[in-house]
Amino acid sequence: GAVVSQHPSWVICKSGTSVKIECRSLDFQATTMFWYRQFPKQSLMLMATSNEGSKATYEQGVEKDKFLINHASLTLSTLTVTSAHPEDSSFYICSAREASGPSYNEQFFGPGTRLTVL
Amino acid sequence: QKEVEQDPGPLSVPEGAIVSLNCTYSNSAFQYFMWYRQYSRKGPELLMYTYSSGNKEDGRFTAQVDKSSKYISLFIRDSQPSDSATYLCAMRSSARQLTFGSGTQLTVLP
Repeated sequence: GAVVSQHPSWVICKSGTSVKIECRSLDFQATTMFWYRQFPKQSLMLMATSNEGSKATYEQGVEKDKFLINHASLTLSTLTVTSAHPEDSSFYICSAREASGPSYNEQFFGPGTRLTVL
Repeated sequence: QKEVEQDPGPLSVPEGAIVSLNCTYSNSAFQYFMWYRQYSRKGPELLMYTYSSGNKEDGRFTAQVDKSSKYISLFIRDSQPSDSATYLCAMRSSARQLTFGSGTQLTVLP
């Protein structure tokens, strides 16, 4: 149980275009989802916390107008990288936390999406 | 100073060796401590989850937390080539937002 999927697993786009990444909790309901970014050989950096039905909370230094987050249901959150540039190339990972149940305090991570902006 | 410090390695050991991975932290509010394993180009996978101080064992893995020293460890016994990955420590307070270490890259040589 507690499986989180991401789509796509990798994407290549041209500079200036927008890219949408989906994060789904497959077998549980997630009131909270997190979006992380990971550069090569570095740790996960939290970008934003997304709560179902409300606006996302962004970490300091993360542009909310550039990284649009939508958490419209208890099983789906999306991250849209708008007007992507080569410096946005990174590994984007989402995680989800159960709304209730024995794993309430745990975060379950998706497999990640590798974004390359040309 | 980072809230969580972790030696990035890389660490290379022969198969069968005991591996010791460590993290130190500065925030005394941290109460929940986790170790994640991350294979290349994959998402992190939760290995161990510990609340407060003490030891926890799961198969070949043992997690230790010493809150008085603000020091946590993960031991891997009888290490296998399949254990080769990056190991990330993570911790949080009751606020439930995780803070990660930088990760230690481990290679177990057959």
